[in-house]
Parts: sequence; structure tokens; C-alpha cells
Amino acid sequence: QKEVEQNSGPLSVPEGAIASLNCTYSDRGSQSFFWYRQYSGKSPELIMFIYSNGDKEDGRFTAQLNKASQYVSLLIRDSQPSDSATYLCAVRGGVLQGGKLIFGQGTELSVKP
Amino acid sequence: EAGVVQSPRYKIIEKKQPVAFWCNPISGHNTLYWYLQNLGQGPELLIRYENEEAVDDSQLPKDRFSAERLKGVDSTLKIQPAELGDSAVYLCASSTSDRGGNEQFFGPGTRLTVL
Repeated sequence: QKEVEQNSGPLSVPEGAIASLNCTYSDRGSQSFFWYRQYSGKSPELIMFIYSNGDKEDGRFTAQLNKASQYVSLLIRDSQPSDSATYLCAVRGGVLQGGKLIFGQGTELSVKP
Repeated sequence: EAGVVQSPRYKIIEKKQPVAFWCNPISGHNTLYWYLQNLGQGPELLIRYENEEAVDDSQLPKDRFSAERLKGVDSTLKIQPAELGDSAVYLCASSTSDRGGNEQFFGPGTRLTVL
């Protein structure tokens, strides 16, 4: 089992729709969870992070965390073509992982005009 | 404020040749990371520095890879000799510290092609 798993996609949604990106992790000691966006040929940039169960909203983005299910998701409302990118889920591992950031393989999102 | 600077942006070498990558983190960031990113995968940590000390190098293939951050500012990652499988993007990142929700800022990366 991979430490952080994402559907590789591609996920295709029409402009204006809600895009839902999912991520599961294996280390129950994980404390912090991050979503990065990476445009093709560019470096990852942080969208938001979450560390408490529940939802965290920032503009059109909502991160959801369920530690009991070891599941974190990112919702993008009113998706725009400019949101087309690969979205990387990253989990800060617990003590056994040395607290390092572990990335999933990324989900490619395509927003069609 | 300048971001993380990396050079070169692209490097093409033949296998068995040496190669070096350079990174200058954001000013004031004590923590520096080197990641490797293969196509279609997320970044994988190679080494983390706190100031000049390498505090996590467990994923660094020490038979051919080496890194240094002598003055606790900029850093160099070296591969000697390079193998075909080393073709990837090498990302440098920095943060104020490595804890909690502290953001890691990534540089543009160096795309290495080994022929």
C-alpha cells in the first residue's frame, strides 16, 4: 500500500462544475495535510493545508479531512480552465515517518470550456 | 521577495558523467529540501537540511549522490556517476522550519536527462 494514494486521472469536468479530488493515506499518526497545484512544466505551489477534522474553505477551494477514514479531499467550485493542472496531496507523516512530507502521485484535472 | 533559485534549469549529460545542481533558498529560510520528481509522480524527498546540518538523508542514494550546505544558505546536490534512471526533475524547496503547516516553497527545478 502506498503511503499517500490519489487517483491519477485525468479527471475532466466542464467549466463551472465542481471538481472533487481525493486522497487517502496510511499513517494514522499523520498530522498535517496539504494540497499543492502543479502546472505542466512548473513547480508545485501550495493551495491550502488542513490539520483538523472537517472542512476548511478558501475562496473556491474547500479541503475536507476525515482522520478516522484517513481521507482528505479538495473541492474546487466553479471550476475554470485555468484550474487545469495536476493536484498533489501531501501528508506530513507521524513520528515513524520522521515528520516528513510525503506526496501522492497527483491527480490531473482538466476543465473544459 | 525572490523565490527559490535553482540552476541550471536543464541539463543533458551522458551516463557515467558527473552533474551538480545548485539551489539558493528564500532569504531567512533555515530549512532546505532536495526532492526528486519522476514524470507522473509526486516529489520524493532526497535530503532535508536544518541550517547546515543534514537531518534527514535516509532517501539519498549515498553511493552516487552527495549534497552539501556549507554555510547554511545555498546548497549543491551532486550525482557521480549519473545513470540512465537518474533522469528526472530535481526540485529544491525551502521553508522557515519543518513543522506543522509551514509552507514549503519550491524552486523551478532542474530537468536532468541522462543519455
